[in-house]
Amino acid sequence: GAVVSQHPSWVICKSGTSVKIECRSLDFQATTMFWYRQFPKQSLMLMATSNEGSKATYEQGVEKDKFLINHASLTLSTLTVTSAHPEDSSFYICSAPTWDEQFFGPGTRLTVL
Amino acid sequence: GNSVTQMEGPVTLSEEAFLTINCTYTATGYPSLFWYVQYPGEGLQLLLKATKADDKGSNKGFEATYRKETTSFHLEKGSVQVSDSAVYFCARSTGNTPLVFGKGTRLSVIA
Repeated sequence: GAVVSQHPSWVICKSGTSVKIECRSLDFQATTMFWYRQFPKQSLMLMATSNEGSKATYEQGVEKDKFLINHASLTLSTLTVTSAHPEDSSFYICSAPTWDEQFFGPGTRLTVL
Repeated sequence: GNSVTQMEGPVTLSEEAFLTINCTYTATGYPSLFWYVQYPGEGLQLLLKATKADDKGSNKGFEATYRKETTSFHLEKGSVQVSDSAVYFCARSTGNTPLVFGKGTRLSVIA
């Protein structure tokens, strides 16, 4: 099947700094990618839909100024957590759909101290 | 709206026991249905899927049948192994829309 990568796989940062997470589709093009957030022992919650060449669509309650999404090419979407705080600590997962299936990245674990 | 309700865990079984994890979905549109598995410390992996009514998805001994009449997609396995210990998520989507996940069911299989 298709492969989606994420980088970094884990990151620890200080409160107030910004962190960028990359999501790449390695062997297919994706005009749309999805960003999810997963709290410990909970399900995945959709944060936003990343659209190549246009603005991302954010779910209700997700701060667009805090979670900046850029879909720079057909194989790369980035999520930047700006001015991170401890409550932003979580597991962030991206996915990219093909015509009949979605492929998930391995996730990025963010810890904000 | 679209939603998925799955049996809450945790579920603890002995090796070789029969597994059922219930999942029901809202009947909006004609969704595709999925089961994903998440092993400790890892991302999600597609376990199986079904795209229309009466389809049966199967993989690694797991099965689930798309039941339109009961809006269900229950996951079953006849004989679980310790290596099946993971969190299982039922999900639905329509076309290229983002997946809507159930809350997940943690399975622990003991030898």
